[in-house]
Amino acid sequence: QEQLVQFGGGVVQPGRSLRLSCAASGFSFRSHGMHWVRQAPGKGLEWVAVIWYDGSNKYYADSVKGRFTVSRDNSQNTLYLQMNSLRAEDTAVYYCVRWNDDRRSDLWSQGTKVTVSS
Amino acid sequence: DIVLTQSPLSSPVTLGQPASISCRSSQTFVYSDGNTYFNWLHQRPGQPPRLLIYKISNRISGVPDRFSGSGAGTDFTLKISRVEAEDVGIYYCMQATEFPHTFGQGTKLEIK
Repeated sequence: QEQLVQFGGGVVQPGRSLRLSCAASGFSFRSHGMHWVRQAPGKGLEWVAVIWYDGSNKYYADSVKGRFTVSRDNSQNTLYLQMNSLRAEDTAVYYCVRWNDDRRSDLWSQGTKVTVSS
Repeated sequence: DIVLTQSPLSSPVTLGQPASISCRSSQTFVYSDGNTYFNWLHQRPGQPPRLLIYKISNRISGVPDRFSGSGAGTDFTLKISRVEAEDVGIYYCMQATEFPHTFGQGTKLEIK
């Protein structure tokens, strides 16, 4: 069964750091680009970042550029999002998403909640 | 950035009746391979989004054929031929041609 399972998340103070993990199983993780998408409470979806299947390219939303870093370990089938200098507006549920052929975002994790608050 | 504007934002529908959601883009977005990478997603309360349709009109495996997507250029439409109870939730359009990928604001489908 293809799935993405997230770890990490929680409550963190403004200015601090947090790392999210996303473990893939049931498919060839190393063959797929991966996205992070977030959803603030009661709000819509916001694309955050993408990483190519081999890690060779990465793109970020302007709202997180310079603060967040996406990475992956294909030997461990795991995707990461390192979030530094966190702000209140980063409070959201974060999803990792598989990027398939035809640029389909076709497999989503269950999401993990990040709350930035003092 | 490409801005996607959905309408309506809320759509009360009677079971068994059709529903239609529109998504208008601020610009065209054709990838270098000639394709327009435009998707529709559905999110039920408390659940992650689920991809329904990709490349304007292609249904994901397992999506009922009462769902159809159409459009071109800057105007796209999702139609549900006969709404069922399981169709409630929020529908999002999304473009995956250019970075940043962007989403519409969402349309809430509810049963009258």
